[in-house]
Amino acid sequence: DGGITQSPKYLFRKEGQNVTLSCEQNLNHDAMYWYRQDPGQGLRLIYYSQIVNDFQKGDIAEGYSVSREKKESFPLTVTSAQKNPTAFYLCASSIIPRQGKYYGYTFGSGTRLTVV
Amino acid sequence: SQQGEEDPQALSIQEGENATMNCSYKTSINNLQWYRQNSGRGLVHLILIRSNEREKHSGRLRVTLDTSKKSSSLLITASRAADTASYFCATDYGGSQGNLIFGKGTKLSVKP
Repeated sequence: DGGITQSPKYLFRKEGQNVTLSCEQNLNHDAMYWYRQDPGQGLRLIYYSQIVNDFQKGDIAEGYSVSREKKESFPLTVTSAQKNPTAFYLCASSIIPRQGKYYGYTFGSGTRLTVV
Repeated sequence: SQQGEEDPQALSIQEGENATMNCSYKTSINNLQWYRQNSGRGLVHLILIRSNEREKHSGRLRVTLDTSKKSSSLLITASRAADTASYFCATDYGGSQGNLIFGKGTKLSVKP
C-alpha cells in the first residue's frame, strides 16, 4: 500500500540536542512538507520541497533544517536553536498542481517530540 | 495572516444529528480543502472544492463554497460516534509559501 511513514512516533530530546525526524513516502509525489502542530492550534508550515535537492522555508523555519536527497525522503532536523520544540510534527506529500488540476495532501501519522 | 478560520471551535451533537462547520478566509483562492484529524493522528483529506464550484458531495459529506463571502461550510449528515474528530479547512492561495494554509480546526464530538 502506498503512503507516508513517519518515525519515530514519540521522541524525547534533551536540552541542546539535535534530533532528526524521518519521513518516507512511496506515493511518487514530487512535493513534501513539514508542519508543526501545537495543542488546539492549526498547522504551521516549517519547510517544503517540490523537487530533489531543493527546498524552501515556510513560516516557522528558524531552528529547523531539512534535506531532500531522494524523492522518497524528507527528514527534518530539530536543532538546539529551536527554543520551544515540544510539539506534534506532521509530514505530508502531494502531487504538484498542473494545468489547473489540484490535489489533496497525504499525511503521515506524526511524531510527537518532547523536550526533557 | 492568510489563515482560514473555522467556526465553531467546538461542536457537540448526538448521533444521527447533522453537523455543520464553517470556514472563512481572506483572499482569493484556487481551491479549498477539508481534512479530518483523529486525536493524536495525522490528517486525512476529505474533499477538495475548486474556486469555480459551489457545492460538492462525498458520501455523507457536503461542502459548499461562497467565494463572494469568502466562506465554506462542511456538513456531515446523520453523524456517527466515529465522526468524532477535529476538522480543518485548508486554503490554496496559489502562493509560493507551500500551497495550503490550515485553520485551527473545529473539534466535533458525536455522542452515542
